[in-house]
Amino acid sequence: RKEVEQDPGPFNVPEGATVAFNCTYSNSASQSFFWYRQDCRKEPKLLMSVYSSGNEDGRFTAQLNRASQYISLLIRDSKLSDSATYLCVVNRAHQAGTALIFGKGTTLSVSS
Amino acid sequence: DTGVSQDPRHKITKRGQNVTFRCDPISEHNRLYWYRQTLGQGPEFLTYFQNEAQLEKSRLLSDRFSAERPKGSFSTLEIQRTEQGDSAMYLCASSFGLAGVDEQYFGPGTRLTVT
Repeated sequence: RKEVEQDPGPFNVPEGATVAFNCTYSNSASQSFFWYRQDCRKEPKLLMSVYSSGNEDGRFTAQLNRASQYISLLIRDSKLSDSATYLCVVNRAHQAGTALIFGKGTTLSVSS
Repeated sequence: DTGVSQDPRHKITKRGQNVTFRCDPISEHNRLYWYRQTLGQGPEFLTYFQNEAQLEKSRLLSDRFSAERPKGSFSTLEIQRTEQGDSAMYLCASSFGLAGVDEQYFGPGTRLTVT
């Protein structure tokens, strides 16, 4: 089983749509969780950290379910500029400051 | 620009040659990471420094790869006797190293092509 699994998509949605991405991770000892965004041929950019209580940043909402080892990202009112690959990321084991383990990413395409 | 910088941005080399990449982290960050990314995959961890100490190395980091961070600031990644399978984007990231949450910020990467 891969350490971080995501549906690769692509997700093709119209502007204004709500879209949700899901991710599962295998290491129950992981303690840090993130969503990164990556544009084509660019570096990953941190979108948001994911906390146990869930967190929201504008149109983006992230949820964490430790019991199910499941992370989600919800994007409301999609914009053309949201088109990118979204990477689900967890840290390895139980130490902060060690490797981040990336999923393969989910591709989102928002059209007008 | 106070972000992570990497040099060169692109490198084309012939198989068997040695290459060296440089990463300058965000100045107040004490942790520095190297990752490799190939097409269609997420980045894969290679190695990690806290200040000048190399604390972790991935099994992906063969004997041909070596990384240094001599003064706890910039880092170099050297690949000796390059192979075509080394072609990838090499990404550097840095973090402030706060306990509990370690948000890593990436540089623009060095794209290596081995011919």
